[in-house]
Amino acid sequence: AQSVSQHNHHVILSEAASLELGCNYSYGGTVNLFWYVQYPGQHLQLLLKYFSGDPLVKGIKGFEAEFIKSKFSFNLRKPSVQWSDTAEYFCAVNAGYGGATNKLIFGTGTLLAVQP
Amino acid sequence: DSGVTQTPKHLITATGQRVTLRCSPRSGDLSVYWYQQSLDQGLQFLIQYYNGEERAKGNILERFSAQQFPDLHSELNLSSLELGDSALYFCASSETLLGGELFFGEGSRLTVL
Repeated sequence: AQSVSQHNHHVILSEAASLELGCNYSYGGTVNLFWYVQYPGQHLQLLLKYFSGDPLVKGIKGFEAEFIKSKFSFNLRKPSVQWSDTAEYFCAVNAGYGGATNKLIFGTGTLLAVQP
Repeated sequence: DSGVTQTPKHLITATGQRVTLRCSPRSGDLSVYWYQQSLDQGLQFLIQYYNGEERAKGNILERFSAQQFPDLHSELNLSSLELGDSALYFCASSETLLGGELFFGEGSRLTVL
């Protein structure tokens, strides 16, 4: 079964620090990869997605992620975090399933706290 | 605002009871997904419907059932509730079955006492 691992459960950073959140998935075939963010008390929102092409994808709010197929990884990065980035971040994978479904399998999430 | 509407936002009930959660997808979206978010299990996929038909099933308990109606709204029925069913239940929708982004509602927080 497909699974997604997020290595960091809690991350605390100061404003202007750089961020990298790890994400690994277990599936050998073609995948679509996503990062979602959940701000306190809000619904999940898409940060960025990778379907094909350039493995370095840019998303909203200055976030980017790099797909490394050989490492089954899709790490999220931001050069300089802000207090408003405090949220929970979820990595997700859609393993294609031959077009039968595009359900997403989520990682356990990383809670990011940015201190002013 | 994602365009996905879930009701009720909060629900408190007792063990053994039955509740129904409702989801209206974004206009034009044919696919609806249900997820359960709890502290110990994270975000778990429950079930997906596409244009009224079940397309995928995840770790959904037999006490839970769902359906998608002709107007594309969906309901998740939870019965014989247990304390462990307390969680945030998210509905999401997407336009197609291939790739694509899922748009999430704000969730229904269920508390079982």
